[in-house]
Amino acid sequence: SQQGEEDPQALSIQEGENATMNCSYKTSINNLQWYRQNSGRGLVHLILIRSNEREKHSGRLRVTLDTSKKSSSLLITASRAADTASYFCATATTTSGTYKYIFGTGTRLKVLA
Amino acid sequence: EAQVTQNPRYLITVTGKKLTVTCSQNMNHEYMSWYRQDPGLGLRQIYYSMNVEVTDKGDVPEGYKVSRKEKRNFPLILESPSPNQTSLYFCASKVGDGEAFFGQGTRLTVV
Repeated sequence: SQQGEEDPQALSIQEGENATMNCSYKTSINNLQWYRQNSGRGLVHLILIRSNEREKHSGRLRVTLDTSKKSSSLLITASRAADTASYFCATATTTSGTYKYIFGTGTRLKVLA
Repeated sequence: EAQVTQNPRYLITVTGKKLTVTCSQNMNHEYMSWYRQDPGLGLRQIYYSMNVEVTDKGDVPEGYKVSRKEKRNFPLILESPSPNQTSLYFCASKVGDGEAFFGQGTRLTVV
């Protein structure tokens, strides 16, 4: 079963606007990470937020984590056409001694020039 | 250069013909994993390995096998491929709770 579910599934915005994507998960996590995937290629790591952190920034990226709601959001500010890609959240969990690293279903972002 | 290398990148095969997709990493990572990606379903974990000789099932292990005889390699084996295994496959490696590094993917078509 999918640990992370992103919404929206698809998002289309104009260049310069902000893009917000959300990720919900089901169990307690060690950390949550966001990745980017350009069409059909391997995923590239963007940012990691630990379970005891609430917010993290990296360049134009801002990630928040609400462990009480089991959700995270990724904000891309001042979007560019080059940000067009799919974005995935991934959760690291340790349950009953078993380590799991699970990806969500992704959000397809299209930034129009 | 730190990388995860998958081969082949593209493969078309027939139902029932055994195949192996190789994955190799040069970062001395203990954790390696295989995922398949299908439209609308995101990445689903097939198998993962915490270290040499330690492997475990992910969410969709049926029809696949793996082995981890050495740290750098984690091949994915389809003993008798079927059309429903047509997909885009990714290998990934990581250390601890850090970021995962992905291969470039293998696009498999089973006819």
